[in-house]
Amino acid sequence: GQNIDQPTEMTATEGAIVQINCTYQTSGFNGLFWYQQHAGEAPTFLSYNVLDGLEEKGRFSSFLSRSKGYSYLLLKELQMKDSASYLCAVRDNRGSTLGRLYFGRGTQLTVWP
Amino acid sequence: EAGVAQSPRYKIIEKRQSVAFWCNPISGHATLYWYQQILGQGPKLLIQFQNNGVVDDSQLPKDRFSAERLKGVDSTLKIQPAKLEDSAVYLCASRRGQSSYNEQFFGPGTRLTVL
Repeated sequence: GQNIDQPTEMTATEGAIVQINCTYQTSGFNGLFWYQQHAGEAPTFLSYNVLDGLEEKGRFSSFLSRSKGYSYLLLKELQMKDSASYLCAVRDNRGSTLGRLYFGRGTQLTVWP
Repeated sequence: EAGVAQSPRYKIIEKRQSVAFWCNPISGHATLYWYQQILGQGPKLLIQFQNNGVVDDSQLPKDRFSAERLKGVDSTLKIQPAKLEDSAVYLCASRRGQSSYNEQFFGPGTRLTVL
């Protein structure tokens, strides 16, 4: 199976920048997703990377290095509403697991005023 | 566009009882997933449907869990009998097609507590 590792918790202050790292191991890599999940709510899609490099979308950016099995999510100009769990998920297209996502445990980000 | 609908939102049962969850995916989405999310962990795939056929159920505890997707639209997930360790949030998600960039859209989930 996959081995997806991300920090359990992070804290930051409003207006700051935070980087959430994710490392993974898979032989059928076909994309990496970042999801945001507020407590008691469903995960919502943030970003998708399949090629190496940086994808920017407003205050959020995501980076991928396939050779290193590494990704990060960068959050700029942090706001209180960014306090949530951030889930790293890897898509594996091997065999019968077409389009299957493997999720990490999530990084609980707390933004302080 | 309406999102993924799930019901009930909350369910409390005693161990050895049965329970069923319902999911209505986004219209036109061919792929449907059921995930189990235990507190403090990421979602774990239980079963994946493509239209009304099962694509992947390798992680489904088939001695107690079953799922169906009649007519390729709505889906139900059943647990019979439930165990204490089944306490979790059960998330349904759908995706439009097979293209790798298509993200999954999640429903609000059903929070199950087994006493």
